[in-house]
Amino acid sequence: DSGVTQTPKHLITATGQRVTLRCSPRSGDLSVYWYQQSLDQGLQFLIQYYNGEERAKGNILERFSAQQFPDLHSELNLSSLELGDSALYFCASSPSPTGDRNTIYFGEGSWLTVV
Amino acid sequence: QKEVEQDPGPLSVPEGAIVSLNCTYSNSAFQYFMWYRQYSRKGPELLMYTYSSGNKEDGRFTAQVDKSSKYISLFIRDSQPSDSATYLCATPGANNLFFGTGTRLTVIP
Repeated sequence: DSGVTQTPKHLITATGQRVTLRCSPRSGDLSVYWYQQSLDQGLQFLIQYYNGEERAKGNILERFSAQQFPDLHSELNLSSLELGDSALYFCASSPSPTGDRNTIYFGEGSWLTVV
Repeated sequence: QKEVEQDPGPLSVPEGAIVSLNCTYSNSAFQYFMWYRQYSRKGPELLMYTYSSGNKEDGRFTAQVDKSSKYISLFIRDSQPSDSATYLCATPGANNLFFGTGTRLTVIP
């Protein structure tokens, strides 16, 4: 158990809908990262927050947004969903603001299926 | 060019075989390299990390970095069915990890 908690574990929704994925980082970790993993794309970095502030953006679509709350949990909002958004969405956390060495820990992921 | 490139496999080996998993990286400034193991539909877990060149050993696992050729390897000795997973190499960027696409390994009993 990495200590990173993600909910829900699985969800199925229809095209055009909106979903929210939730992440609780490890105790004491200030950085939260979101990654998308699909079969043909591998792990793609979406966005990073550090202590409530957006720190880095990767390949995140405009239909997607995220935030980190004062209690450090984070939410990833996916809207106007398309079939191609079906993927595993991982949250990861680390104590430092940089992608540092061995200190990034991943949650179990949220499996999104868009039908 | 991607920061880290990895042969996706898949790779099937008999139990007890020595496995070699490989990645190349593009930026000679990269110093830290990690290997993550990911079981099916689970989160990646850190297996090993190395700094700069040379070897690092942990039980049946050995991570190797060759900076002259920008090549990183993970060797698994006496492979077990429980080693069946996807293995991802990674290196830290300024704000996140750059991952290879992963190599799916199956160890056949």
